[in-house]
Amino acid sequence: GDSVTQTEGPVTVSESESLIINCTYSATSIAYPNLFWYVRYPGEGLQLLLKVITAGQKGSSRGFEATYNKETTSFHLQKASVQESDSAVYYCALGDNVGDNSKLIWGLGTSLVVNP
Amino acid sequence: EAGVTQSPRYAVLQEGQAVSFWCDPISGHDTLYWYQQPRDQGPQLLVYFRDEAVIDNSQLPSDRFSAVRPKGTNSTLKIQSAKQGDTATYLCASSRDRGNTEVFFGKGTRLTVV
Repeated sequence: GDSVTQTEGPVTVSESESLIINCTYSATSIAYPNLFWYVRYPGEGLQLLLKVITAGQKGSSRGFEATYNKETTSFHLQKASVQESDSAVYYCALGDNVGDNSKLIWGLGTSLVVNP
Repeated sequence: EAGVTQSPRYAVLQEGQAVSFWCDPISGHDTLYWYQQPRDQGPQLLVYFRDEAVIDNSQLPSDRFSAVRPKGTNSTLKIQSAKQGDTATYLCASSRDRGNTEVFFGKGTRLTVV
């Protein structure tokens, strides 16, 4: 079936350290998967961080990057130097390219704690 | 632009009680979603509307849950007789139309059933 697996949290890093949150997916019923990273900051609603709809492409936002790797079925989230304000819960999600947003398949979320 | 607004933010019920959640989507967004997110899990779609029509409610526990969007704007999700297993955060989201568009989420309603 279709599924998303991501790094189990909490992940704790110190400010200015690098970060990688792993995400792998299985898309058995989706011909052309779209991949998303959403983030929920404390007290806020879920918001889109970045998305990539074409295999081999990289998305970036707020210093975060993720590359859609079809060969390894991965979409890892990386940042070279985290800030305390990046503390949040990050969700990897898989969608269908026909654009039906209801078909988003979500990971369990990874809580990131950045210490000053 | 105002975001998706949900109320209440928190609710605590005893088993068997009823509760309603309200959602005001972003103006002009024709698609509205309700998700259930248990603790430490990702959001799970319950139902979604396009305008006032229900497009998919296959994951909505129909015996106790109901959702309406009568004028294609605001929406209400109701739990008729809550169970402890309903404890979760209920998220409302909206998007402009079908397609690869961004989905905007409200802050959610955290429900605890004791």
